[in-house]
Amino acid sequence: EDQVTQSPEALRLQEGESSSLNCSYTVSGLRGLFWYRQDPGKGPEFLFTLYSAGEEKEKERLKATLTKKESFLHITAPKPEDSATYLCAVHGSGNTGKLIFGQGTTLQVKP
Amino acid sequence: SQTIHQWPATLVQPVGSPLSLECTVEGTSNPNLYWYRQAAGRGLQLLFYSVGIGQISSEVPQNLSASRPQDRQFILSSKKLLLSDSGFYLCAWSYSLSYEQYFGPGTRLTVT
Repeated sequence: EDQVTQSPEALRLQEGESSSLNCSYTVSGLRGLFWYRQDPGKGPEFLFTLYSAGEEKEKERLKATLTKKESFLHITAPKPEDSATYLCAVHGSGNTGKLIFGQGTTLQVKP
Repeated sequence: SQTIHQWPATLVQPVGSPLSLECTVEGTSNPNLYWYRQAAGRGLQLLFYSVGIGQISSEVPQNLSASRPQDRQFILSSKKLLLSDSGFYLCAWSYSLSYEQYFGPGTRLTVT
């Protein structure tokens, strides 16, 4: 069964303190790993898609990387506006149209 | 550019009442459409998805149903709401040959 586990559940950082969020996955035939950002009371906002091990993508202070078993979302010199819940999801070959989501990591960046 | 709308934004309904949530997508044709539910402190659970008009696949047995009367319209319904139906309902779309999904603003449903 496809499964996604994110850690830690919550992370508190000081502004400028870099860190990483982890997404471990088990899936048969990965067709894509997705990162989303969700602000309270809003829908998830698409950030990145990664398709194969070794792939990396960057957007402002965020960088996503992928291995055969996990993905990391690196946050460099975060700002308070980076505070949000970050969701990881996978699409496996066995599930047409279905994304399997992790529980998310809630990031709080203090000024 | 593509835009996805959901309404209402919030809804408070008594147990046993009917439900109708609407989702529309603008700026694209023949999208795949999805309904998710997000319970407090939990991840997103796929409820229904549709690859075309009148084509609905159900992921979780429950008292909810979905319909797609037009290409870019997706409706989530219930004849009688349960307390356990409370949650944050999200509609999403993707291009027909893509796995990237884009979410709407969501509807917060409270069943009392």
